[in-house]
Amino acid sequence: AQRVTQPEKLLSVFKGAPVELKCNYSYSGSPELFWYVQYSRQRLQLLLRHISRESIKGFTADLNKGETSFHLKKPFAQEEDSAMYYCALRKTGNQFYFGTGTSLTVIP
Amino acid sequence: DTGVSQNPRHKITKRGQNVTFRCDPISEHNRLYWYRQTLGQGPEFLTYFQNEAQLEKSRLLSDRFSAERPKGSFSTLEIQRTEQGDSAMYLCASSLGAGQGSNYGYTFGSGTRLTVV
Repeated sequence: AQRVTQPEKLLSVFKGAPVELKCNYSYSGSPELFWYVQYSRQRLQLLLRHISRESIKGFTADLNKGETSFHLKKPFAQEEDSAMYYCALRKTGNQFYFGTGTSLTVIP
Repeated sequence: DTGVSQNPRHKITKRGQNVTFRCDPISEHNRLYWYRQTLGQGPEFLTYFQNEAQLEKSRLLSDRFSAERPKGSFSTLEIQRTEQGDSAMYLCASSLGAGQGSNYGYTFGSGTRLTVV
């Protein structure tokens, strides 16, 4: 069965420190992984997709099929990065499975 | 087009009452999705439409839930005989179809928060 696990519900880092939000998945097919972000009082929005190998707002995520992981990383956290982050796996048919989310707080 | 619009933003209802939510997707998006999010959880898939056809339904969608998208534009989600366990944020999202840039993921609405008392 497909599953997305985000082991950390809460994560606090100091401004300027590196940050890594963990995501592990299980899926029998070829996975497509995404990160969504929800800033305070805003709607859930797409942050990045593994297939595009892009860097958005300084964040990157690499799909590691051997470790079944898709961790989100940023070398220098900023206060505006404080938000709720959801890892999501898309199965065929465009249905997403979301993790339970990690609340990131960047301490000034 | 201001994105995906959901109404109402908040709904408080008594147990046993029926409620209906509306979602207006981005106009050029032919796919529309409903998700439910409870406290401390990520969004959980309920159902999705391609144009007016309802193509997938989750087992979470009991027979008290029904969704429609009659003209392939806006959609409604109705919950009959509401229960306290139905209290949640109901999220709508839309996207392009396969081969049309659907790899860009969803655009979400702000959600409708349902409280059943």
